[in-house]
Amino acid sequence: QKEVEQDPGPLSVPEGAIVSLNCTYSNSAFQYFMWYRQYSRKGPELLMYTYSSGNKEDGRFTAQVDKSSKYISLFIRDSQPSDSATYLCAMILLSGNTPLVFGKGTRLSVIA
Amino acid sequence: SQTIHQWPATLVQPVGSPLSLECTVEGTSNPNLYWYRQAAGRGLQLLFYSVGIGQISSEVPQNLSASRPQDRQFILSSKKLLLSDSGFYLCAWSRRGPGGELFFGEGSRLTVL
Repeated sequence: QKEVEQDPGPLSVPEGAIVSLNCTYSNSAFQYFMWYRQYSRKGPELLMYTYSSGNKEDGRFTAQVDKSSKYISLFIRDSQPSDSATYLCAMILLSGNTPLVFGKGTRLSVIA
Repeated sequence: SQTIHQWPATLVQPVGSPLSLECTVEGTSNPNLYWYRQAAGRGLQLLFYSVGIGQISSEVPQNLSASRPQDRQFILSSKKLLLSDSGFYLCAWSRRGPGGELFFGEGSRLTVL
């Protein structure tokens, strides 16, 4: 079983739709959770960063963490064509000097 | 503010030629530094990470090597490139301590012919 599982997609939605992106993980020691957005031919950029279980909202984006189920989600409201990108989940143990573990990324296309 | 620079952005190299990709970070000190590779349709593969000058951890056996000659400089090298070395190479940094979010460079696209 891989440490982090993420559906690669592709996921195609119409403009204005609510998008749900998900990752599951197997190691209950993961404490910090992140979502990165990567546009084609660019480096990933940090989108959301959470520590505890629950929801964190930033504009149209909401990150949700459920540590009991080992499940994290990213919701995008009122999706825009500019949201078309690959979204990668990432997580890390409590110790800051161990590398992040990434999901393989979900490719999202928002159609105008 | 912190910035990360990575170069060259694009390069095309023949099989068997050497490689040198360079990365520098500005605006911070004692960062953790990382090299990732992203092949087409695949996820991020961690190649090397460094927690200090001269300290390199290798995650995947391959014909690549990394060096950290200065605190904020990280170099990825190869003596002889293989076709399978083609891909998108990303440098990243993180602060020391808990948390560890990564900040990526713009990437270097390598095509080996």
